[in-house]
Amino acid sequence: NAGVTQTPKFQVLKTGQSMTLQCAQDMNHEYMSWYRQDPGMGLRLIHYSVGAGITDQGEVPNGYNVSRSTTEDFPLRLLSAAPSQTSVYFCASSTPGNTEAFFGQGTRLTVV
Amino acid sequence: AQSVTQLGSHVSVSEGALVLLRCNYSSSVPPYLFWYVQYPNQGLQLLLKYTSAATLVKGINGFEAEFKKSETSFHLTKPSAHMSDAAEYFCAVSPGANSKLTFGKGITLSVRP
Repeated sequence: NAGVTQTPKFQVLKTGQSMTLQCAQDMNHEYMSWYRQDPGMGLRLIHYSVGAGITDQGEVPNGYNVSRSTTEDFPLRLLSAAPSQTSVYFCASSTPGNTEAFFGQGTRLTVV
Repeated sequence: AQSVTQLGSHVSVSEGALVLLRCNYSSSVPPYLFWYVQYPNQGLQLLLKYTSAATLVKGINGFEAEFKKSETSFHLTKPSAHMSDAAEYFCAVSPGANSKLTFGKGITLSVRP
């Protein structure tokens, strides 16, 4: 039972590079979301999806794009990485009416 | 709109002592409230949740929390701390069951032998 799988676990980017953080879940959950975790700031919602083809912005969406073509996958794209995007990124999934969100193990991203 | 306040960034207790981690929330609708725990280099694990049923909620690992609407609080307690409780704890709120969580800044719990 894999749950929520994030890849890669670690990544170093140069300023201006692009990359995609992958998130996949095998629980058939409709809801998926991306958070970033920064020291002393808790987790902040970046983007959110309630189902395939439907996405919405969270608290800190600037610099990030998402799409949801399947129920299972919810990739997060950084088009032009900036040092301010150095953070730990978490993907989560849940079902409508079930309030528990299941989190992946995180991707630690450093932008130099 | 919703928000969560967790005062302080670090709490240290002795093994066997009471653990009390404070959480106050603000929400424009009846809230769903959560406590998550994060061990080093791990993801978040749900400890317990309040979803408008019983106000005293019991979770895993001996933790419990009480929802107090009049105080807009959802403090986390455990009668006797164990070394394995050392971790970072996050309080979170969501407007209903849509799981768009707003987190507090987190509190690091240290347990002294």
